[in-house]
Amino acid sequence: NAGVMQNPRHLVRRRGQEARLRCSPMKGHSHVYWYRQLPEEGLKFMVYLQKENIIDESGMPKERFSAEFPKEGPSILRIQQVVRGDSAAYFCASSPTTGREQFFGPGTRLTVL
Amino acid sequence: DQQVKQNSPSLSVQEGRISILNCDYTNSMFDYFLWYKKYPAEGPTFLISISSIKDKNEDGRFTVFLNKSAKHLSLHIVPSQPGDSAVYFCAASAGSSYKLIFGSGTRLLVRP
Repeated sequence: NAGVMQNPRHLVRRRGQEARLRCSPMKGHSHVYWYRQLPEEGLKFMVYLQKENIIDESGMPKERFSAEFPKEGPSILRIQQVVRGDSAAYFCASSPTTGREQFFGPGTRLTVL
Repeated sequence: DQQVKQNSPSLSVQEGRISILNCDYTNSMFDYFLWYKKYPAEGPTFLISISSIKDKNEDGRFTVFLNKSAKHLSLHIVPSQPGDSAVYFCAASAGSSYKLIFGSGTRLLVRP
């Protein structure tokens, strides 16, 4: 039973480029969450999605960031016109219901040059 | 405004002894608490959780204690093993909100 899958594991972008991070939840899980971790800090909630719906995006910056979880395929976190401050580890988590435990993927480490 | 605080950035313990990791919170609406373990370059791994209707939950070597009046929880690992060396995060959530609020983590080193 595969866990939460994220790709790429490492992503390097130059300032102004776009970054696309993908997340496939655990089998049977229909709830996806994205978190960001800056160096030496805890994880910060960004967005919560169910299939085809954004439920809570209160932690996501209003500009340049967007997320989707289509009916088919992985969830995508998209960052347009990246800046150096976007450099961080981005983690995806999934849960089977609105249950309280979330299971995390290995993360995507984004580096903006 | 840090709602979940882990005031000890690091902890060093001898193998076989007890490790106690602490977490404080400020939001009285939090009613579910979780501990995650994280190795470098990996995602957090769920360890144990506790609902606010309980004051203790145990799973093997891991026990979480919750003191609601003090808004404090702790994770006890006994006996500690070198493989337990990792960063431990405390997280909390409130009611119907699904977002987890994380502390900044405590780095545990278990010395052989």
